[in-house]
Amino acid sequence: GNSVTQMEGPVTLSEEAFLTINCTYTATGYPSLFWYVQYPGEGLQLLLKATKADDKGSNKGFEATYRKETTSFHLEKGSVQVSDSAVYFCALPYSGGGADGLTFGKGTHLIIQP
Amino acid sequence: KAGVTQTPRYLIKTRGQQVTLSCSPISGHRSVSWYQQTPGQGLQFLFEYFSETQRNKGNFPGRFSGRQFSNSRSEMNVSTLELGDSALYLCASSLSGQEYNEQFFGPGTRLTVL
Repeated sequence: GNSVTQMEGPVTLSEEAFLTINCTYTATGYPSLFWYVQYPGEGLQLLLKATKADDKGSNKGFEATYRKETTSFHLEKGSVQVSDSAVYFCALPYSGGGADGLTFGKGTHLIIQP
Repeated sequence: KAGVTQTPRYLIKTRGQQVTLSCSPISGHRSVSWYQQTPGQGLQFLFEYFSETQRNKGNFPGRFSGRQFSNSRSEMNVSTLELGDSALYLCASSLSGQEYNEQFFGPGTRLTVL
C-alpha cells in the first residue's frame, strides 16, 4: 500500500518565523495528497489538498506543492502565529481503486512561542 | 448540518472483553472509515465501508471488524480486547464518488483496556 514519511516533532518556533514541515510519500500512480491538522481539544480537520502533480494547495496562509519528481508535499507558512500550534499530518489514500481511507504520517507537533 | 458523531465518547473495558463503537456520518455521506490513534503508532487505517460493503482494509488482526447499515451508520467491534487496544478510535465520513474525497472526522471514542 501507499505510505508517507514526515518529520516528527516537536517543532518549536517563535511567532512570525518561517515554517516548513517535510513530507515524502511512496505510492502507485499519482494520488491526491492532503495535510490535516489537529488543534488542541479539537477533531482532525482538512487543512489543504492537491489532486495532481504541480498543484499547490493553500489555506489559512499555509501552502504545499505536489512534487512528483521528488515525491514530496512539504507544508510551508511564511509567518506562523501562536494560533497555529497544533499537530499536522500528511496523508494520502491508503490504496488505489477509488476506495476511501487514508494513510497518515506520524504527525508533527508544532509549538509556536510568542 | 450536523457533523460526524461517535458514541460512546469514553469507554473502559478489561482484557478479554469485547466492545462495539458506533459512528453516525454526516447526512448524505455514504463512505465511513475507521482509524486507530495511539501515541506510538500514530493514526492507522482500520477499514472503510461504502454502501454496506467493506471496500478497504488496513493491516489489523481479525479481532477488529466492522459493518455499515443501510442508513450509512457504522459500527466497529473489537473482540478479545488486549491492553494494546487502548487508543482513540476515530471515524470519518466522506461523500465518495469524487476524484478526491475530503474526510470529515468525528471527535473519537477513547477506549481504555485494563
